[in-house]
Amino acid sequence: ELKVEQNPLFLSMQEGKNYTIYCNYSTTSDRLYWYRQDPGKSLESLFVLLSNGAVKQEGRLMASLDTKARLSTLHITAAVHDLSATYFCAADRGSTLGRLYFGRGTQLTVWP
Amino acid sequence: GAGVSQSPSNKVTEKGKDVELRCDPISGHTALYWYRQSLGQGLEFLIYFQGNSAPDKSGLPSDRFSAERTGGSVSTLTIQRTQQEDSAVYLCASSFTGYRDNEQFFGPGTRLTVL
Repeated sequence: ELKVEQNPLFLSMQEGKNYTIYCNYSTTSDRLYWYRQDPGKSLESLFVLLSNGAVKQEGRLMASLDTKARLSTLHITAAVHDLSATYFCAADRGSTLGRLYFGRGTQLTVWP
Repeated sequence: GAGVSQSPSNKVTEKGKDVELRCDPISGHTALYWYRQSLGQGLEFLIYFQGNSAPDKSGLPSDRFSAERTGGSVSTLTIQRTQQEDSAVYLCASSFTGYRDNEQFFGPGTRLTVL
C-alpha cells in the first residue's frame, strides 16, 4: 500500500518566521496534493504538483515536488496567524482515478 | 459555482440504529469518494465511484457499511446497526476524470455521533 508520511505532525511557530513541512511517499507516483483544513471545516485544495521539479506558490506558501526523492515540501514564509490550520499532503497511484492516500497532517499554530 | 454538498451536517443516533448520509457532487464530476475522519485516525478512505459503479470499495470497514450512487450523481452511504466506533466525520469528495490530475474537492462533511 502507498504510504505517505508527514513531519512534523505538530508545528508551533512565531509570526514572521519561516518553516518547512516535509512529505515523503512510498511509491513512484508523480503526483502530490496539498490540502488545508481549518478546525471544524472540510479540506480545501491548495496545490496540485504533477511532475518532478514542480513548484507552486500562493501567498506565503510554496510547494515543491522531487519525485526521485519521493519528497514534497510545503514552505511557509514569514508566517502569519491566518496560516494556522492543519495541512495534509496526499498522493495517488498516478491514474486520473482512484483514492488519495493522505499523510496524518501537520497541525500548524502561528503565534504573535 | 456550487461545490460538493452533504447532508445532514450533523447526525446523532443511538447505537444499533441505521443511518444514511447523502452526498451531492460537483456537477459534471464523474468520480465520487467517501472518506472518514476521526480523532487519532486521520483520513480513512472508504469507497470510490466512477459513474454508478464502485471499482474500489476496499476501505469499507465492515459489511454494515454500504454505498450506492444513482444517475452518476448523488451518493448515499448507509451504516447499519451503528456502533460507537462509527462516530466520525464522513467526508465526500468528487473529481473530474478528464483532467491530468485527480484533484478531489471535498464537501463540508457529516458529523456522526453514535451514543
